[in-house]
Amino acid sequence: DTAVSQTPKYLVTQMGNDKSIKCEQNLGHDTMYWYKQDSKKFLKIMFSYNNKELIINETVPNRFSPKSPDKAHLNLHINSLELGDSAVYFCASSQDLGESEPQHFGDGTRLSIL
Amino acid sequence: QKEVEQNSGPLSVPEGAIASLNCTYSDRGSQSFFWYRQYSGKSPELIMSIYSNGDKEDGRFTAQLNKASQYVSLLIRDSQPSDSATYLCAQVPSSASKIIFGSGTRLSIRP
Repeated sequence: DTAVSQTPKYLVTQMGNDKSIKCEQNLGHDTMYWYKQDSKKFLKIMFSYNNKELIINETVPNRFSPKSPDKAHLNLHINSLELGDSAVYFCASSQDLGESEPQHFGDGTRLSIL
Repeated sequence: QKEVEQNSGPLSVPEGAIASLNCTYSDRGSQSFFWYRQYSGKSPELIMSIYSNGDKEDGRFTAQLNKASQYVSLLIRDSQPSDSATYLCAQVPSSASKIIFGSGTRLSIRP
């Protein structure tokens, strides 16, 4: 019973394509996040949603569009993929937005742009 | 200046010794600090959180926070090969409800 699950685990695609990554959490958490981890292992927040409402959008190109149909799901759609989008994308969730709330991460989606 | 800075390593420590990982941060108002462990090809996993000055112990792990000097450290006693991983320091800045991660320190425990 995976707590935070992402699909797909691997995504290999051509430059210019559009792709989506799905995320679901069964922890009953109110807040979900998307992170990008580059080849140097630097983990950077992209978006956070609290109860389906966008809270943080960290100067991410508008080719990236998150969608939260309900508080258990946060999907990420990427248009016109570029070489620099190659990275590992992690979904995470926490009970709420509180500072002390630990984040639970999914296993990551490894995106490779050819 | 980066918000959260760590030495990238690799830090090599013999099995059974104490591994010491350090992290400095720039936001004096930060109140919450975390250490995450990330095995190669896996997701980050929270191992310690600390909110007040001083030490916090959990098993073989001790987190130390010094707000005046703006650093937080993680000590791992009796290091085991299974401790070999990248350790990410993270903080919640005073201005926003998000976590800022350092770039991680790669720790290698040699038998």
